[in-house]
Amino acid sequence: AQKVTQAQTEISVVEKEDVTLDCVYETRDTTYYLFWYKQPPSGELVFLIRRNSFDEQNEISGRYSWNFQKSTSSFNFTITASQVVDSAVYFCALSERYQLIWGAGTKLIIKP
Amino acid sequence: GAGVSQTPSNKVTEKGKYVELRCDPISGHTALYWYRQSLGQGPEFLIYFQGTGAADDSGLPNDRFFAVRPEGSVSTLKIQRTERGDSAVYLCASSLGRTGKSTDTQYFGPGTRLTVL
Repeated sequence: AQKVTQAQTEISVVEKEDVTLDCVYETRDTTYYLFWYKQPPSGELVFLIRRNSFDEQNEISGRYSWNFQKSTSSFNFTITASQVVDSAVYFCALSERYQLIWGAGTKLIIKP
Repeated sequence: GAGVSQTPSNKVTEKGKYVELRCDPISGHTALYWYRQSLGQGPEFLIYFQGTGAADDSGLPNDRFFAVRPEGSVSTLKIQRTERGDSAVYLCASSLGRTGKSTDTQYFGPGTRLTVL
């Protein structure tokens, strides 16, 4: 069965620190997609990135970067120079046919 | 352009009542999904529509839950004989649906918070 594990339940850092959120997945599919979403206190899920299983290049978007390693089944997310507005719950998800399989989320708290 | 919208934003009902939750997807998106999210957890898949038809309803927990999308746009999730355990945030998402697979990015609405007393 497919599964996504986000072992970090909550992370708290001081503003401007770098922080990495871990995501480990399990799947028997050879073709799959991985996603990260952000859920701020307002509650709406905001799409951050989609990555297919054939593309292992790291991705950088501003202060955000993603490290996809197929060998360890991990898709980690790093925020550089964190800001208070980054405070949210972050979810990693794996595609399975017509649905997304979600991790339990990591609550990120950025203190000023 | 407008994102996914859901109404109502909050719904409080009594056990045993019937409720309807509405989702209006992004214009042009043919795929529509319903998820349920309980406090402190990730979303849980309920049902997926491609056009007017329910392509996958394997996540519906029981026959009290039903969803329709009669014209391939707006969808309504219907819950009969509500139970306290149905209390959760119900999320709707839509995607382009070009490939008919979940590889298309799903964009989410703000959700409907359902509370069953």
